[in-house]
Amino acid sequence: QVQLQESGPGLVKPSETLSLTCTVSGGSISNYYWSWIRQPPGKGLEWIGYIYYSGITRYNPSLKSRVTISGDTSKNQFSLKLRSMTAADTAVYYCARHIAAVGHEAFDIWGLGTMVTVSS
Amino acid sequence: QSALTQPRSVSGAPGQSVTISCTGTRSTVGGYNYVSWYQQHPGKAPKLMIYDVSKRPSEVPDRFSGSKSGNTASLTISGLQAEDEADYYCCSYAGNSTRVFGGGTKLTVL
Repeated sequence: QVQLQESGPGLVKPSETLSLTCTVSGGSISNYYWSWIRQPPGKGLEWIGYIYYSGITRYNPSLKSRVTISGDTSKNQFSLKLRSMTAADTAVYYCARHIAAVGHEAFDIWGLGTMVTVSS
Repeated sequence: QSALTQPRSVSGAPGQSVTISCTGTRSTVGGYNYVSWYQQHPGKAPKLMIYDVSKRPSEVPDRFSGSKSGNTASLTISGLQAEDEADYYCCSYAGNSTRVFGGGTKLTVL
């Protein structure tokens, strides 16, 4: 079955750029949307944005100025870059398969998540 | 402050039913039939329980059901079991290709 695995640094310095990659196994990233979602410690979930396999992207307006999501169909991966990191960006970052078709909307498969701490 | 409002906690005894509400606006819950619900156990990734307001993935027990009235969506869990104790989050399409989550509800099985 389809599985997602996040990878990237667990520690990022303030003002630096976070780079995370999500590797999809057991299926192709083609024909699906793929999202990043984060969860600060002890808090709720926040949708960051998505990429369609064709390259179309949409971002949370609150993060849009700092976020870039890209994809690599040859590697079956998609990636997140979040610039100008602050302590408020400390969170568990999840990648998820995003069903976003006419009449359907859900994050149906999730990665295990990766904890990212912003600290000097 | 989350765009969708959920009660911080609910509780129920084994075998009972509980309902978790998720209140938005006409621009979120009320405007689209795109509400989903996620269960999250401590230290684990969220799991999809309900999508498109009331549809249930095949692997989710039929004890879980979803509905919507106006700007408020609801998740009902009947026949509560100990393993249902978890945090539950609602999510809604919010127009302009954006999505918003609720703040989460902690379910305690007494």
